[in-house]
Amino acid sequence: QQPVQSPQAVILREGEDAVINCSSSKALYSVHWYRQKHGEAPVFLMILLKGGEQKGHDKISASFNEKKQQSSLYLTASQLSYSGTYFCGKTQGGSEKLVFGKGTKLTVNP
Amino acid sequence: DAGITQSPRHKVTETGTPVTLRCHQTENHRYMYWYRQDPGHGLRLIHYSYGVKDTDKGEVSDGYSVSRSKTEDFLLTLESATSSQTSVYFCAISEPNRYNEQFFGPGTRLTVL
Repeated sequence: QQPVQSPQAVILREGEDAVINCSSSKALYSVHWYRQKHGEAPVFLMILLKGGEQKGHDKISASFNEKKQQSSLYLTASQLSYSGTYFCGKTQGGSEKLVFGKGTKLTVNP
Repeated sequence: DAGITQSPRHKVTETGTPVTLRCHQTENHRYMYWYRQDPGHGLRLIHYSYGVKDTDKGEVSDGYSVSRSKTEDFLLTLESATSSQTSVYFCAISEPNRYNEQFFGPGTRLTVL
């Protein structure tokens, strides 16, 4: 089952903050975040593991609430380069298979 | 740059014809994946491989087969293409470590008429 992302789309002005949420109806082992610019491949941003460990982009932060089976991506002081579609992906039970959400389109305007 | 290439990058074909897409990596990663991306659906896993000749199905595997005879190459075959298989196909690679972050190839845009 795909994780559910919200919002589906958000428009910001440069310098504003945004939060993108990713929730699952089943227990999560890890949550992955990727960003995709139009016409390009998805690019890895962050991974959050059950238990609190994480690895990823040093200018983007995220949280992983195991009880709520939810992750949030925090984009602060947004830049024009942050525009794109953000995908979360989940794994269950340590599987190498990722199931992605449908994405959140972020537009940052000057 | 994770050293992943896909070929062809664009292809137009007709319904009923066989199509093979190739993913090639230069970094000896063990895991390889094929996804399709369609508007409103995000990325969906078709098949993946966890080693030479070791493959498994993803969530949308019907109508697709894969082969991996060498570490560096992962082939996706549409035996008889249908219009519903018009999509952008991405290959990805990863290592079976604690994080398993995936790195994606540039994609192949396939149109089935």
